[in-house]
Amino acid sequence: NAGVMQNPRHLVRRRGQEARLRCSPMKGHSHVYWYRQLPEEGLKFMVYLQKENIIDESGMPKERFSAEFPKEGPSILRIQQVVRGDSAAYFCASSPLGDGRNSPLHFGNGTRLTVT
Amino acid sequence: AQSVTQLGSHVSVSEGALVLLRCNYSSSVPPYLFWYVQYPNQGLQLLLKYTSAATLVKGINGFEAEFKKSETSFHLTKPSAHMSDAAEYFCAVNRDDKIIFGKGTRLHILP
Repeated sequence: NAGVMQNPRHLVRRRGQEARLRCSPMKGHSHVYWYRQLPEEGLKFMVYLQKENIIDESGMPKERFSAEFPKEGPSILRIQQVVRGDSAAYFCASSPLGDGRNSPLHFGNGTRLTVT
Repeated sequence: AQSVTQLGSHVSVSEGALVLLRCNYSSSVPPYLFWYVQYPNQGLQLLLKYTSAATLVKGINGFEAEFKKSETSFHLTKPSAHMSDAAEYFCAVNRDDKIIFGKGTRLHILP
């Protein structure tokens, strides 16, 4: 009974490169959330997706960041032309229902992105 | 809009002492509130959640939290701290079908 799987665990990119972060939700979960964590700042909501749909992307920067959750395969968080300020831990969470109340989130172990 | 504020980014307690981590919420309607714990290099795990069924909520690892509407608080407590409780703790609230987290409180346990 695998939990939420994120890969890679660590990702190093040079400024200007692209970063692709992958998240496979728990079996049976069709709702995926992405959060970014910086030291002393807690987790910041980025985007909420269901299969083939972006439900809420109010926390996503308008440029360079995109997310998808295709019908088949993992959810992908894509950061184009990375800058040093993108260095952070990115966490994916999934839930069976998207009501945010009765369906607690199950988190992956995160991807730590370092931009050099 | 619903949000939570955690008082104290770092809290230190001696092993065996009472743990108290503070969280205040702002919400125009009765909120759903959560406490999550994060151990080093891991994702967050749910400790407990408040869904209006009972004001005193018991969670895993001996933690509990009490919802106090008059104080708009949802503080996390544990009677006796253990070394394994050292971690970062996040209070959270639901808003528009997503979970919004506080900035976290890092709990240090002194031997």
